[in-house]
Amino acid sequence: AQSVAQPEDQVNVAEGNPLTVKCTYSVSGNPYLFWYVQYPNRGLQFLLKYITGDNLVKGSYGFEAEFNKSQTSFHLKKPSALVSDSALYFCAVREANQAGTALIFGKGTTLSVSS
Amino acid sequence: DAGVIQSPRHEVTEMGQEVTLRCKPISGHNSLFWYRQTMMRGLELLIYFNNNVPIDDSGMPEDRFSAKMPNASFSTLKIQPSEPRDSAVYFCAGRGQDHNEQFFGPGTRLTVL
Repeated sequence: AQSVAQPEDQVNVAEGNPLTVKCTYSVSGNPYLFWYVQYPNRGLQFLLKYITGDNLVKGSYGFEAEFNKSQTSFHLKKPSALVSDSALYFCAVREANQAGTALIFGKGTTLSVSS
Repeated sequence: DAGVIQSPRHEVTEMGQEVTLRCKPISGHNSLFWYRQTMMRGLELLIYFNNNVPIDDSGMPEDRFSAKMPNASFSTLKIQPSEPRDSAVYFCAGRGQDHNEQFFGPGTRLTVL
């Protein structure tokens, strides 16, 4: 069975500091991995994805994520956090050879960036 | 492109009433997903369609919930009768034929009194 774990309910960082939001996954085969962000009273917004190729993926708003197959992780990172990055972040996965299936989402991590 | 359109954006109803939520996916997207989000349970997949055909409805909580997709540009999620525990934000999402990222609508905030 496919699953995603986001071990931290909340991450607190100071503005200007680097941030990491953790995600680990479990699939039988190769994974397709995604990060989404949700601002208050809004829908989920796509940030970035790993499908194949370079393990370091760059996305919107200066975010990046690194696919680590041996650790089955896909942590979201940003070198310098902004207060406006404060939001709810979701990691999602699906198995590469199951094209028609839905993404499996983690429970979400609330990122709080203080000024 | 207007993105995924959901209506209404807010719905307040009384227990026992029928509720119908509507979704218009992005043109050309052939997969459609209905999710429910609450503080307690997070984001839950209710049902999804590929090419207008329901594929997996195992997330639909009870027979009170039903969903249809009569054509590629429209889907409904109906709750009949509604109960207070159905109060949540309901999201619709679409996906293109590359089967990769899903694009979410703004959601419908449902409150059942």
